[in-house]
Amino acid sequence: DGGITQSPKYLFRKEGQNVTLSCEQNLNHDAMYWYRQDPGQGLRLIYYSQIVNDFQKGDIAEGYSVSREKKESFPLTVTSAQKNPTAFYLCASRRLAGGSSFGGELFFGEGSRLTVL
Amino acid sequence: DAKTTQPNSMESNEEEPVHLPCNHSTISGTDYIHWYRQLPSQGPEYVIHGLTSNVNNRMASLAIAEDRKSSTLILHRATLRDAAVYYCILSMVDSGYALNFGKGTSLLVTP
Repeated sequence: DGGITQSPKYLFRKEGQNVTLSCEQNLNHDAMYWYRQDPGQGLRLIYYSQIVNDFQKGDIAEGYSVSREKKESFPLTVTSAQKNPTAFYLCASRRLAGGSSFGGELFFGEGSRLTVL
Repeated sequence: DAKTTQPNSMESNEEEPVHLPCNHSTISGTDYIHWYRQLPSQGPEYVIHGLTSNVNNRMASLAIAEDRKSSTLILHRATLRDAAVYYCILSMVDSGYALNFGKGTSLLVTP
């Protein structure tokens, strides 16, 4: 079945370590996004990418890095520079609807929960 | 940025209709109105979207005010499985169609 796969589902990290969260989609979607969600809060945009080898910062990009070497993959690295990385991370993708500002339906993965010890 | 305002929480009885309001007074002419919902510990899922006209699908209906400054998501018969956080969002064309999710409305459905 087509969909978005995030891994790992749960991750524990020591302070000062970098960690990489995986996001893979087999929906042939053009755009991919990373969001962060803290308890009781909405989602905040970290990074997004509309095409391969290109990505833009969202509202809270500091302390994070991404790459988009393949259309299917958009990994997120949480660096040691991120002051408070404990959160629920969600990856999403969409097929951009050409000529329309609708932008297509957004599909989400099941999320990765990162805890810094 | 075009923003939306929603009540923090709402409560409904099972099998009753639910009207979830959203204000977006700064909406621009090309902004679509999107609704997503999020169940606990899951990613959000698409519910419905619209531009100017009212829309219906198998999940819900979307009623858009004539001046487009507000909209209402209508669940015709709430079930316990509809208990979720509902987000009303406007498209951001200049940001790669990225959707900015606010805090949404937490819907409680009681038997």
